[in-house]
Amino acid sequence: EPEVTQTPSHQVTQMGQEVILRCVPISNHLYFYWYRQILGQKVEFLVSFYNNEISEKSEIFDDQFSVERPDGSNFTLKIRSTKLEDSAMYFCASSDRFAGEKLFFGSGTQLSVL
Amino acid sequence: GQQVMQIPQYQHVQEGEDFTTYCNSSTTLSNIQWYKQRPGGHPVFLIQLVKSGEVKKQKRLTFQFGEAKKNSSLHITATQTTDVGTYFCAGRGFNKFYFGSGTKLNVKP
Repeated sequence: EPEVTQTPSHQVTQMGQEVILRCVPISNHLYFYWYRQILGQKVEFLVSFYNNEISEKSEIFDDQFSVERPDGSNFTLKIRSTKLEDSAMYFCASSDRFAGEKLFFGSGTQLSVL
Repeated sequence: GQQVMQIPQYQHVQEGEDFTTYCNSSTTLSNIQWYKQRPGGHPVFLIQLVKSGEVKKQKRLTFQFGEAKKNSSLHITATQTTDVGTYFCAGRGFNKFYFGSGTKLNVKP
């Protein structure tokens, strides 16, 4: 089965530093998402992206966050100035149709902000 | 805003016992999905329910969507140790799926 790939698997950074989390969605998918999960808690929606623009974002996704699809394959999440509370597992997901199609999740990037 | 609540938060069962998790939404859902997350893993899609009152089965798993499309349940018959993990429901919003709080299932052999 095709996979969503995420790099790096772990990222450790100092508070205030910028991080970029990278994702390669499944090649024929058009809808992309970032979710995050603080250890032991639920999966929280951050942002959805379609046709090279943000479709929807949550209140978590403030001005410190941005997403980009710089080429035909990568989908990135940037956090400009990380905070301690940004420490979480970040999952990228993609789907091949907006209305009710299943989400394929990557294995995640564990971000630790020190 | 839209919220999806799940109960119970945790469930410990003996292998062979049945298990049920319930999902309740504050608003009517157009559809609902269920995901399983193994410890240390990522969510993996199990099923999608669309129609009011819909019931779907996957081997020992039975999924149900309420008549009012505001609640759903997942029932596992005769649990096995391979069923261990956290089960999430996810309701569809306009441009996203928002996940419930999850039910963590532990199965004792």
